[in-house]
Amino acid sequence: DVKVTQSSRYLVKRTGEKVFLECVQDMDHENMFWYRQDPGLGLRLIYFSYDVKMKEKGDIPEGYSVSREKKERFSLILESASTNQTSMYLCASQAGGGQPQHFGDGTRLSIL
Amino acid sequence: SQQGEEDPQALSIQEGENATMNCSYKTSINNLQWYRQNSGRGLVHLILIRSNEREKHSGRLRVTLDTSKKSSSLLITASRAADTASYFCATDGDSNYQLIWGAGTKLIIKP
Repeated sequence: DVKVTQSSRYLVKRTGEKVFLECVQDMDHENMFWYRQDPGLGLRLIYFSYDVKMKEKGDIPEGYSVSREKKERFSLILESASTNQTSMYLCASQAGGGQPQHFGDGTRLSIL
Repeated sequence: SQQGEEDPQALSIQEGENATMNCSYKTSINNLQWYRQNSGRGLVHLILIRSNEREKHSGRLRVTLDTSKKSSSLLITASRAADTASYFCATDGDSNYQLIWGAGTKLIIKP
């Protein structure tokens, strides 16, 4: 079974901090994704990556950046955290286009 | 990006009954997928149906696809308390990578 591991289930940070969310997958998948999920807004794509060092903006990239130095690891960075970035963050991996996405358990991030 | 729409937004039924959820989408697709999300957890892939398929089964799940109406339905038969979750449909639209997600149906199974 594919395993996608997110580094923290719960995280509390302060406004203005630089925040790192880490995601690791163990199935040698090409594609990885970062979403945020908010009540009433569904899943919104922040960034995705289709290869090492490659990244593409999703629907809501503002205030975020990503890093994919190794195939198995995809990091989401909040450059200067703000309260409106309080959310559930979900990482997913995918073997290839059109294939199912496999999700981690999510990180519930609170920015105070 | 455009989003699919699920109907109903919430559904509450007795254990043992069947649950039906619907999904409509706007663009042409190569495939449509259904996912389940238990409260506070990540999404779990349930089933994928390709645009040239009309019906697909997996255990107690039955998915239909009508590309002429741009709609799909997910039927869960003989529901159990453990089926309580939110269910999402997702389509690939015209992208090789991105999925277009519906807002989800919250299903509650009453014991």
